[in-house]
Amino acid sequence: DTGVSQDPRHKITKRGQNVTFRCDPISEHNRLYWYRQTLGQGPEFLTYFQNEAQLEKSRLLSDRFSAERPKGSFSTLEIQRTEQGDSAMYLCASSDTYNEQFFGPGTRLTVL
Amino acid sequence: GESVGLHLPTLSVQEGDNSIINCAYSNSASDYFIWYKQESGKGPQFIIDIRSNMDKRQGQRVTVLLNKTVKHLSLQIAATQPGDSAVYFCAEKGSSGSARQLTFGSGTQLTVLP
Repeated sequence: DTGVSQDPRHKITKRGQNVTFRCDPISEHNRLYWYRQTLGQGPEFLTYFQNEAQLEKSRLLSDRFSAERPKGSFSTLEIQRTEQGDSAMYLCASSDTYNEQFFGPGTRLTVL
Repeated sequence: GESVGLHLPTLSVQEGDNSIINCAYSNSASDYFIWYKQESGKGPQFIIDIRSNMDKRQGQRVTVLLNKTVKHLSLQIAATQPGDSAVYFCAEKGSSGSARQLTFGSGTQLTVLP
C-alpha cells in the first residue's frame, strides 16, 4: 500500500496525559501536513513540513502541541497535557511540490 | 477575512440523478480549488481540482465549475450512485497567506436514495 498511513487509528486518553501520533507519508513526497477535524467541520490546518523543516504553524497549534519530521520521512504529532477540547480527528496529508494533498485515514483522539 | 463556505449542509438525490454541490468563497486572491470526498471514518479523498485561470474542468462523472465573478464553484456528479454518499468539501489554497495550506469549507452531506 503506497498511501498515507497513520497510527494509531483511535486513541482514548485521560485529561492531562500526553499522546503521540505517527504519520507515514507517501514515499517521495517531500511535503507533509497535519490537520485537525472536529465533528461536522472541515479539516483545519495545523502545520506543514517540507522535508525535515517545519515551515508553517497555525495559530491553532498551541504550546502543548509539537510536531517533528526528523528525517524528512515520517512525522509525529505530540499533544502534552491533553484537554477535552483536543478531542478531534487528526489528519495527516502529503504531497509533492506541485500536486494535490493526499490524506491518511486519521487518528481519532478522545480525551476523557 | 477569507472563508470557504457551502450553501447547504445536506443534499439528497435519487440514484441515477445528477448532483450539484455548491461552494462560495470570499477571497478573490484564491487561485486553486479542490473538491474532496470524505466517507465516514476515512480521510478526505481527492476528487478534482481547478485553477483560477479555468472556469470548467471535467473528470470521470464529475465536473467542477468556477465562477470567479461571484466567487462560486460547484461540483456536479453525473448519474449519482450509492457509493457517492459521503461528505463533500471544497477547499482552496492561496487566500490564507500560505501557498501550501488548504482552507476547507464545512462540508455537504450527500445522501443517495435508492
